[in-house]
Amino acid sequence: DSGVTQTPKHLITATGQRVTLRCSPRSGDLSVYWYQQSLDQGLQFLIQYYNGEERAKGNILERFSAQQFPDLHSELNLSSLELGDSALYFCASSVQGDNYEQYFGPGTRLTVT
Amino acid sequence: AQTVTQSQPEMSVQEAETVTLSCTYDTSENNYYLFWYKQPPSRQMILVIRQEAYKQQNATENRFSVNFQKAAKSFSLKISDSQLGDTAMYFCAFMSTGANSKLTFGKGITLSVRP
Repeated sequence: DSGVTQTPKHLITATGQRVTLRCSPRSGDLSVYWYQQSLDQGLQFLIQYYNGEERAKGNILERFSAQQFPDLHSELNLSSLELGDSALYFCASSVQGDNYEQYFGPGTRLTVT
Repeated sequence: AQTVTQSQPEMSVQEAETVTLSCTYDTSENNYYLFWYKQPPSRQMILVIRQEAYKQQNATENRFSVNFQKAAKSFSLKISDSQLGDTAMYFCAFMSTGANSKLTFGKGITLSVRP
């Protein structure tokens, strides 16, 4: 158990819908990262937050957004869902913003039908 | 931009034997970090080992060790005394030392340990 929690574990929804994925980092970790794992694209970095502020953006679609709250938990919002958004979404956390090991949550499996 | 290449899609090893998983990367940076992550059938991503580029000594964690060749941009993982629980996908990953500390992953390799 990495200490990073993600909810829900599984999510099945229809095209065009909007979902929110939630992540709680390890105690003491200030940085949260979101990754997407799909068969087509492999593991890809989406976005990073550090102590409530957006720190870096990767290949995140405009339909996707994220935020980190004062209690350091983070949410990833996916809207206007398409079939291709079906993937495993991971949250990871680290102690500081830069150059520390990232510990991954169990992931949220999103299926868009 | 950095790239990470894992050219072997699958490998198989007999229990108790040793196996080496290959990884190469491309970067123009001098300081960076390299990681191996394990993803078992449960899909959890588990950190196996970490190597700092400025350290010449290869990292080791129990049965896991790396062969880091900075000039060749090669970072292989050696698993000794393979166990059935080592069956998983293994991902090599690169991290810059700059402000953007995202992980860039290879495509992964599926390792099967045979009883």
